[in-house]
Amino acid sequence: DIQMTQSPSSLSASVGDRVTITCQASQDVSKYLSWYHQKPGKAPKLLIYDASNLETGVPSRFSGSGSGTAFTLTISSLQPEDVATYYCQKYGNFVLTFGGGTKVEIK
Amino acid sequence: EVQLVESGGGLVHPGGSLRLSCVASGIIVNSNYMTWVRQAPGKGLEWVSTIYSGGSTYYADSVRGRITISRHDSKNTLYLQMSRLRTEDTAVYYCARGGGVYRLDVWGQGTTVTVSS
Repeated sequence: DIQMTQSPSSLSASVGDRVTITCQASQDVSKYLSWYHQKPGKAPKLLIYDASNLETGVPSRFSGSGSGTAFTLTISSLQPEDVATYYCQKYGNFVLTFGGGTKVEIK
Repeated sequence: EVQLVESGGGLVHPGGSLRLSCVASGIIVNSNYMTWVRQAPGKGLEWVSTIYSGGSTYYADSVRGRITISRHDSKNTLYLQMSRLRTEDTAVYYCARGGGVYRLDVWGQGTTVTVSS
C-alpha cells in the first residue's frame, strides 16, 4: 500500500506568516492528492483537490502544488481561523490513504 | 443544501454489532461514490470503506470481513454494518461523498462508536 508522510507534525507561526506543509507519497499518485483541515470536534473540510485546485468557497490564501510523489500546501498569510490539523490524502483508486496530520497553531 | 447526517453510534461490548446510517439530502447516494472514514480518539483519519455508484465495495484491511457497506436507494441512505467489534474500532465515524477517483467533498458531522466492556 502507498504511504503518505506529512511534515512537520506540528508548527507554530505568527498571524500573517507564510506556512508550508509537505506531503510525500511512497509511490506515484499522479495528481490525486487532496488537502483537508479539521478543527477540534468538527468534521474535516476539503481545501484542495487534484493537488492544486481550490475547492469552491475556500479562501485564496490556500494553495496546493506538486505531482507524483511530492506535494505542498501553502497558506500565504496565516489567519487565526486557520488553527487546525491539516491532512493530505491520496485517492485515485479504491484505497484512500491519509497522511498523519500537521497541527497548526498561532505563536 | 447538500447534507449528510450520520446516526447509530453508541457503546457496544467487544464482539458486538452495530449499524451506522448516513442520510443524504441534496445528493443522490446511488449516483455517487460514498465513503466511510473513522478517527480514533486523539488520532488521525483512517479510510474504512467505499461503495461505488455501480455497487462495487472496497474495504480497508483492518475491517475487511467484519464490516459491510451498503445503501438503500429509496431512503437515500448509506449504511455501515459492523460486527465482531474490537476495542480498536472505537472512533468517530464519518460518511463522505467521494472515493475512488473522486475527492471527499461533502462530510457528515460524525457518529461516535465506543467498544468497551
